[in-house]
Amino acid sequence: DAGVIQSPRHEVTEMGQEVTLRCKPISGHNSLFWYRQTMMRGLELLIYFNNNVPIDDSGMPEDRFSAKMPNASFSTLKIQPSEPRDSAVYFCASNFVEPQGLLTEAFFGQGTRLTVV
Amino acid sequence: KQEVTQIPAALSVPEGENLVLNCSFTDSAIYNLQWFRQDPGKGLTSLLLIQSSQREQTSGRLNASLDKSSGRSTLYIAASQPGDSATYLCAVGTSGTYKYIFGTGTRLKVLA
Repeated sequence: DAGVIQSPRHEVTEMGQEVTLRCKPISGHNSLFWYRQTMMRGLELLIYFNNNVPIDDSGMPEDRFSAKMPNASFSTLKIQPSEPRDSAVYFCASNFVEPQGLLTEAFFGQGTRLTVV
Repeated sequence: KQEVTQIPAALSVPEGENLVLNCSFTDSAIYNLQWFRQDPGKGLTSLLLIQSSQREQTSGRLNASLDKSSGRSTLYIAASQPGDSATYLCAVGTSGTYKYIFGTGTRLKVLA
């Protein structure tokens, strides 16, 4: 497997524009996570899905952020409208959660570096 | 609410030293704990995963231990090398949820 694949790797956009980040998890994994990393706040969990269903979106900072997982092999994180303070590296990760709730090793993508000017 | 702390925040050592990185968590009801490495501008690479029923895991020069009752994990790196320079993060998988909560990381520099 090629691992968790994120696109684009870099995104520069103007304030107010819509930004869509994409993630393809590892095949067979049933949980997917979106994290944001900044120097000030470290790695923050934004939202995670299990079996394509959002389980906890309490980390999503504002209504400007939304995430979807239409199928087991694809997820998007959308920011609309974008603001300079959204500039960060956004990571997607996936793992497998067994029926009894046991978490397995999580694997991360290479991240999308977002710059909003 | 689970909180994860890593000490020290930064560490600089000469090549060849054995070193210990620390990770503390406030809620001992965990499923597992995972150690990651992050190189500048890169993603996170998984190093070791310890399940809550285990006391330690080893991979090459790395050894991670877990003491759930005291809310601590340590990552031991033997015979450090300049290539070990990176940021090391621990992440706790908490019972009752499916999510990993990350520590703030330890930035390690191994000097040649």
